[in-house]
Order: sequence, then structure tokens, then C-alpha cells
Amino acid sequence: QKEVEQDPGPLSVPEGAIVSLNCTYSNSAFQYFMWYRQYSRKGPELLMYTYSSGNKEDGRFTAQVDKSSKYISLFIRDSQPSDSATYLCAMSEGLTNAGKSTFGDGTTLTVKP
Amino acid sequence: DGGITQSPKYLFRKEGQNVTLSCEQNLNHDAMYWYRQDPGQGLRLIYYSQIVNDFQKGDIAEGYSVSREKKESFPLTVTSAQKNPTAFYLCASSIDLSNEQFFGPGTRLTVL
Repeated sequence: QKEVEQDPGPLSVPEGAIVSLNCTYSNSAFQYFMWYRQYSRKGPELLMYTYSSGNKEDGRFTAQVDKSSKYISLFIRDSQPSDSATYLCAMSEGLTNAGKSTFGDGTTLTVKP
Repeated sequence: DGGITQSPKYLFRKEGQNVTLSCEQNLNHDAMYWYRQDPGQGLRLIYYSQIVNDFQKGDIAEGYSVSREKKESFPLTVTSAQKNPTAFYLCASSIDLSNEQFFGPGTRLTVL
């Protein structure tokens, strides 16, 4: 079983919809949680970076971390066609494991106009 | 503009040849990383470097080598010992090992 599980999708929604992307994990030592957006044939772009449990909001994006359930989510409000991409979650223990990040396999999202 | 550059964007190699992928950053970051991404999969760590002249193996280091002679540069060599080298290679950097990573645009390597 993988340390980080992510629903691969694909996920298709109409423009303006609220999108929910999720990851579960098994390593209770993870402290840092990231979401990246990756367009086709491009490098990942950091969207959200959070520490421990709680919510973080940045514009149309909200990241939630529930460490008790080992579950993280990324919500996209008022989704746009430009949000069509693959979204990767990533997690790390921080310095206790040399900062190494473990990535999910990604969820492919298509937002239709 | 600060950022991470990788070259070339596309690279073709014959079986049995070594090839070196370039990664340069002007973000003044201490830590640098190399990942491999295969279709439909997440990123797997090949090597990482915390500071100049120091680097550590990641999860899939076999068949790869790196050097870190300068803070700005972290080249990756894919050797002929790598059994399945065709993949998308991504370089990243961070202020230090505990901070978020920023990625370059990637190099797509194809072995013919």
C-alpha cells in the first residue's frame, strides 16, 4: 500500500463548480502538506503549503488538513477552464526525514466552459 | 527574474550512452532535488543535496549520479546502468530541507 493515496480521476466539472480534491496518507509523522498544480508537459507549481492541521485560504483555493483522519483536501471555488491540470498532493516529515517529500500520483481535472 | 532552469527541454539518447541533464537556480536556495515522473504517476526522488559538496541518495538512485560543486547548479547524469531511463525529469530547490520546493520546467528524456 502506498504511503500517500490520491484518487486519479479523471475529474470533469462545469465552469463555476466547486472542486474537491483529496489525499489520504498512512504516515502519522507527516507535518507539512503541499498541493501542486501541473499543466501538461510542465513542472509542478506550488499552490498551497500548510503545516499541521487546519485550513488555509488563498483566493479561490482552500487547503484543509485533518491529521486525526490522515486526510487532506484542496477546494477550488468558481472553477475556471484555466484550472484544468493535474493536481499533486505532497507531504513531508520536515527535518526529521531530511525534508523528503512523498507525492501522490495526481488527480487530473478538466473544467468545461 | 528568479527561478529554476533546466536544459534541454527534450533529450534523445541511444541505449548504452550516458547523458547529463542541467539544473540551475538563482533563488539562492541551499537545497536541490532531482525527481523522476512516469506517466500517470507521482514524483519519485532520485537524489537531493542539502548544501554544496554534499548529496544523498533518494528512493531510486540506482543508475544515476549527481554533483553539487556550486550552490546554483545540480546536474544529473543518467548512466547506461539505468535500465528504464525514458521519463520526465524534474529539478527542484528549496531554501532548506524543511521548506517548500519549487520546480523547474523539466526535461523529457527518451532512449531510442
